[in-house]
Amino acid sequence: GAGVSQSPRYKVAKRGQDVALRCDPISGHVSLFWYQQALGQGPEFLTYFQNEAQLDKSGLPSDRFFAERPEGSVSTLKIQRTQQEDSAVYLCASSIKETQYFGPGTRLLVL
Amino acid sequence: GESVGLHLPTLSVQEGDNSIINCAYSNSASDYFIWYKQESGKGPQFIIDIRSNMDKRQGQRVTVLLNKTVKHLSLQIAATQPGDSAVYFCAEIPDPNEKLTFGTGTRLTIIP
Repeated sequence: GAGVSQSPRYKVAKRGQDVALRCDPISGHVSLFWYQQALGQGPEFLTYFQNEAQLDKSGLPSDRFFAERPEGSVSTLKIQRTQQEDSAVYLCASSIKETQYFGPGTRLLVL
Repeated sequence: GESVGLHLPTLSVQEGDNSIINCAYSNSASDYFIWYKQESGKGPQFIIDIRSNMDKRQGQRVTVLLNKTVKHLSLQIAATQPGDSAVYFCAEIPDPNEKLTFGTGTRLTIIP
């Protein structure tokens, strides 16, 4: 069956550019999570949705980061005015109970 | 703050041998623990999970042990294969459907 998919897989952005990262969760999964993974580190939580409601956004590093899930399915993570420190892999995960299933991630490089 | 950490950052094991990856956690309120495997260029892949009311759980070639007294978690992989080479993360959550807290990972290398 289809897992979590993310697009694009790779994104190169110039500093100051806005980017949008897409996540398609597993069909029927109520919960959706975004994580940021720096090179050589474990993923770190950014934000969490239950259906269309954003229940926790405590991990978003600044107000340049914005996430939405308007219809409770696909989610978009938007980063405005990208900075070099935003370079990382952005992982999306979905779950129906406790176990979170991850997508392949979007590798963002800000030059 | 609360964190999940790993004792060993790298581990090399001969093919066919068993491997043990260890993890220490500090959040005594955590109810649920998961081991993930991450291969290069891929997202974390679920391996096995365990609840805090259990001390052992077995899967196919993998066993997770939980020692709540010393807040220690381990992943045992039996008869390792080259495909087991990856970075392994333990992660914890205090409640269902809340954020995972990951450690920095252990890189397991299987030597042919």
